[in-house]
Amino acid sequence: EPEVTQTPSHQVTQMGQEVILRCVPISNHLYFYWYRQILGQKVEFLVSFYNNEISEKSEIFDDQFSVERPDGSNFTLKIRSTKLEDSAMYFCASSRDRLSTNEKLFFGSGTQLSVL
Amino acid sequence: SQQGEEDPQALSIQEGENATMNCSYKTSINNLQWYRQNSGRGLVHLILIRSNEREKHSGRLRVTLDTSKKSSSLLITASRAADTASYFCATSGASKIIFGSGTRLSIRP
Repeated sequence: EPEVTQTPSHQVTQMGQEVILRCVPISNHLYFYWYRQILGQKVEFLVSFYNNEISEKSEIFDDQFSVERPDGSNFTLKIRSTKLEDSAMYFCASSRDRLSTNEKLFFGSGTQLSVL
Repeated sequence: SQQGEEDPQALSIQEGENATMNCSYKTSINNLQWYRQNSGRGLVHLILIRSNEREKHSGRLRVTLDTSKKSSSLLITASRAADTASYFCATSGASKIIFGSGTRLSIRP
């Protein structure tokens, strides 16, 4: 069964450093998403992306965050200058079609980001 | 906010018993979905119920939707140890899905 893959599974960084989290969505999917989950808390929406543009973003997704689809397979989340509170599990997800057509999300296994 | 909120926050039952989790949401929806998350892993889609449906079954899962009360329930019948996980309801917007806080389900052997 096709799956969303994320690398690395764990990332440790120093506060103020830039990190790039990588995702390979399912190959025939067109809509991409990033979510994050701080330990013990709910899964929070960050951003959705389609046709090389951000469709929607949350308040969490400030100027320190950016997303990119640099080629036909990868989808990346960049945090320019990490803060301690960015420590969380980051999940990439994809869907075949837009959500208004009753689509579901397929999630990767996540990248655990620890900011020291 | 469309946000769904689950009830209870945590549920512990004996293996073989049925588990019922409830979800309430605030705005009109196209559909409501349930996802499962094993500890430290990504979410896995379980079932989707459209706004014009009242009940849906999938294996040991039964989902109901009451749009007049803006609520849904997920029933897992004949629970197994492997059902231990967190369960989230989720509502769809045009370009995002918003998850509730989740119910942590523990199945005792």
